[in-house]
Amino acid sequence: EDKVVQSPLSLVVHEGDTVTLNCSYEVTNFRSLLWYKQEKKAPTFLFMLTSSGIEKKSGRLSSILDKKELFSILNITATQTGDSAVYLCAGKETSGSRLTFGEGTQLTVNP
Amino acid sequence: NAGVTQTPKFRVLKTGQSMTLLCAQDMNHEYMYWYRQDPGMGLRLIHYSVGEGTTAKGEVPDGYNVSRLKKQNFLLGLESAAPSQTSVYFCASSYDTGKGSDEQFFGPGTRLTVL
Repeated sequence: EDKVVQSPLSLVVHEGDTVTLNCSYEVTNFRSLLWYKQEKKAPTFLFMLTSSGIEKKSGRLSSILDKKELFSILNITATQTGDSAVYLCAGKETSGSRLTFGEGTQLTVNP
Repeated sequence: NAGVTQTPKFRVLKTGQSMTLLCAQDMNHEYMYWYRQDPGMGLRLIHYSVGEGTTAKGEVPDGYNVSRLKKQNFLLGLESAAPSQTSVYFCASSYDTGKGSDEQFFGPGTRLTVL
């Protein structure tokens, strides 16, 4: 059975801080890892990673995958209160369409 | 494009009552999914469909049934609601994975309370 574990489960920081969120996975015939942001409503897509060592970047957010050690990190630099959300990661096998989600990290950014 | 829509947004049921949640997508996606989200447990897959007329069980299927009579719609039914089914339900859809992206697009959610 596939498994995805995120850490920490919750994190409180001040505006301007840099945060690193962790995601480790055990996915049979791994194909991709996805990051989502969820702000009290539907999760919205951030990144999809398939190759080791290649950083995906969008503004202050970036993510990288390590397929040897089976983990991914999501970095947020110069955090803002609008970054407060639950961040979810999910792993996908090569076959089929199902995603296996982690528990999520609740990030709170205080002014 | 409306994307993925869900009805209703909120519902309160009494134990033993039945209801159907409707999900609709206008992106011509082949695949559709129903998840439930409980505090501290992420998203757990209930049932999914890889095309019109097909359904399959996910991680937590017990107590739920689904139907996909039309490509754009995916219905989730609770035949006899139980308090353990109190949760937020999300529908999602995606392209065939052969098209490159594994992204799933989510609806706004339905908050269900079973008393």
